[in-house]
Amino acid sequence: ELKVEQNPLFLSMQEGKNYTIYCNYSTTSDRLYWYRQDPGKSLESLFVLLSNGAVKQEGRLMASLDTKARLSTLHITAAVHDLSATYFCAVDMEETSGSRLTFGEGTQLTVNP
Amino acid sequence: EAGVAQSPRYKIIEKRQSVAFWCNPISGHATLYWYQQILGQGPKLLIQFQNNGVVDDSQLPKDRFSAERLKGVDSTLKIQPAKLEDSAVYLCASSLALASSEQFFGPGTRLTVL
Repeated sequence: ELKVEQNPLFLSMQEGKNYTIYCNYSTTSDRLYWYRQDPGKSLESLFVLLSNGAVKQEGRLMASLDTKARLSTLHITAAVHDLSATYFCAVDMEETSGSRLTFGEGTQLTVNP
Repeated sequence: EAGVAQSPRYKIIEKRQSVAFWCNPISGHATLYWYQQILGQGPKLLIQFQNNGVVDDSQLPKDRFSAERLKGVDSTLKIQPAKLEDSAVYLCASSLALASSEQFFGPGTRLTVL
């Protein structure tokens, strides 16, 4: 059974600081997603990482994937309050039956002024 | 392009009652998913459809949960009878194809079972 673990689960940081969220998974996969979820809202797709060494950046967020280490990171640069949300990684175990996402527990990020 | 639509957005019922949720996926998306998201956790897949056929329902508690997608477009998820532990947000997602295709999520239905 695939296990996806995120850490930290809770992160409180000051505006302007940098930090990294880690996502470890237990089975080989070449496809990983990062989602953002605001309180009471649905999931918003941030990044799709499709191969080993993939790196994608959007604004103050940068995601990377190391399939050999079974690790993805979401790096936050110079955090701002608007980034406060819960961030989920999800690993796609493509099977003959199709795409199947297994989510981590989520990292609740709070950026303080 | 319209996103995934779900209704109702909120539902409060008492235990042992029945409830149904509705989902309309993005136009043209063949694959539809239902997830359960308990407070403080990541979403967990309940059932996956490809057109009007079930692809994966291995994590659906079939003694009380059922789902259908009769015409291969919109879908309903039913719980009968509900238990306290069914309190969660039920998310519907759709994707263009069965494999290698990004999933797009609806706003969810928040169910509270008293």
